[in-house]
Amino acid sequence: DVKVTQSSRYLVKRTGEKVFLECVQDMDHENMFWYRQDPGLGLRLIYFSYDVKMKEKGDIPEGYSVSREKKERFSLILESASTNQTSMYLCASSFRQFTDTQYFGPGTRLTVL
Amino acid sequence: GENVEQHPSTLSVQEGDSAVIKCTYSDSASNYFPWYKQELAKGPQLIIDIRSNVGEKKDQRIAVTLNKTAKHFSLHITETQPEDSAVYFCAPTGGTSYGKLTFGQGTILTVHP
Repeated sequence: DVKVTQSSRYLVKRTGEKVFLECVQDMDHENMFWYRQDPGLGLRLIYFSYDVKMKEKGDIPEGYSVSREKKERFSLILESASTNQTSMYLCASSFRQFTDTQYFGPGTRLTVL
Repeated sequence: GENVEQHPSTLSVQEGDSAVIKCTYSDSASNYFPWYKQELAKGPQLIIDIRSNVGEKKDQRIAVTLNKTAKHFSLHITETQPEDSAVYFCAPTGGTSYGKLTFGQGTILTVHP
């Protein structure tokens, strides 16, 4: 079974802090994705990566950056957290084609105070 | 980019009834149409998908139908059970949005025993 794990289920940070969200997949998938999920808005793509050290902006990249130094790990970075970044963050991976099934982690609920 | 609308936003049915959720998209070049199910405290999981060369696909109690002319596709669940209660998302992709799934806003389905 594909397993996508995220470093924390719940995280509370203060405004201005630098925040790291880690995601690891164990199926040698080439593509990895970061989404945020807000009520009534569905899932919105922040960044995705189709290879090590490669990254592409999604629909809402402002205020975020990413890092993919190893194939299995994709990190989302909030350089200076703000209250409007309070949300559920979901990581996903897929094998190779972008139409391959995306497998999601359980999510990290981030609260920025 | 792709504009996606999903209806209804909430759906309440009695166990054994059928449920239908509709997803309308804007990009006529979209060619991949998945449906994801998200249970409480979990990440979304693919339950069924269809590609543009097929009009309908069925997997036991769930089915997806596609109308490319009208640019919409629908999820059909028959003989609903309480465990079908979840949030359902459509995520059409392909064409100009290739590589990026654009998720609908989600439909909260509640199946009453």
